[in-house]
Amino acid sequence: GENVEQHPSTLSVQEGDSAVIKCTYSDSASNYFPWYKQELGKRPQLIIDIRSNVGEKKDQRIAVTLNKTAKHFSLHITETQPEDSAVYFCAASPDGAGSYQLTFGKGTKLSVIP
Amino acid sequence: EAQVTQNPRYLITVTGKKLTVTCSQNMNHEYMSWYRQDPGLGLRQIYYSMNVEVTDKGDVPEGYKVSRKEKRNFPLILESPSPNQTSLYFCASSLRDRGYSPLHFGNGTRLTVT
Repeated sequence: GENVEQHPSTLSVQEGDSAVIKCTYSDSASNYFPWYKQELGKRPQLIIDIRSNVGEKKDQRIAVTLNKTAKHFSLHITETQPEDSAVYFCAASPDGAGSYQLTFGKGTKLSVIP
Repeated sequence: EAQVTQNPRYLITVTGKKLTVTCSQNMNHEYMSWYRQDPGLGLRQIYYSMNVEVTDKGDVPEGYKVSRKEKRNFPLILESPSPNQTSLYFCASSLRDRGYSPLHFGNGTRLTVT
């Protein structure tokens, strides 16, 4: 089955700096890669996703890049703010399965220091 | 309001005492799933259902049962809970549109088995 590795497990950045979280996956058939954000005590929520026919996707301060050859994808947050502090999960699923068969990474706890 | 509702939010029980965690969604979603979240392990899928009367095992199904008799409800049953099932549980639902709709998570159920 799919295996998703996520690094780092914890990340501290100064407010205004950029943060990068990286994930690698094992199954070359995976083609859907969402990112979920979980604030303390809250439910996970989708913040951005990318499919394998796209190399990069942006949404305001958040961007995701995908390298299918190397089987890795990354989340980039620019101009970080205290409200970006949360646990971020990457995930991958095989062709056609979308959200049905997501394999999640172990999560990255991001702390933005004011 | 569109939402996934789990009950109870907190549950403390003893080993071997059967329990059910309920999950209901009001978005007419075909797909529903259960995840458990443990520190350092991320989100792991327990069971999922593509539609009424259709259920399948996820990555960690041992010790759990589910049923999908109605589209809106997807209860998680622990017939004989054990301490290693102490965890934070999330129910999630999604539209069945080739799988690319986001997962909508419930608020979570924190279960402690003593």
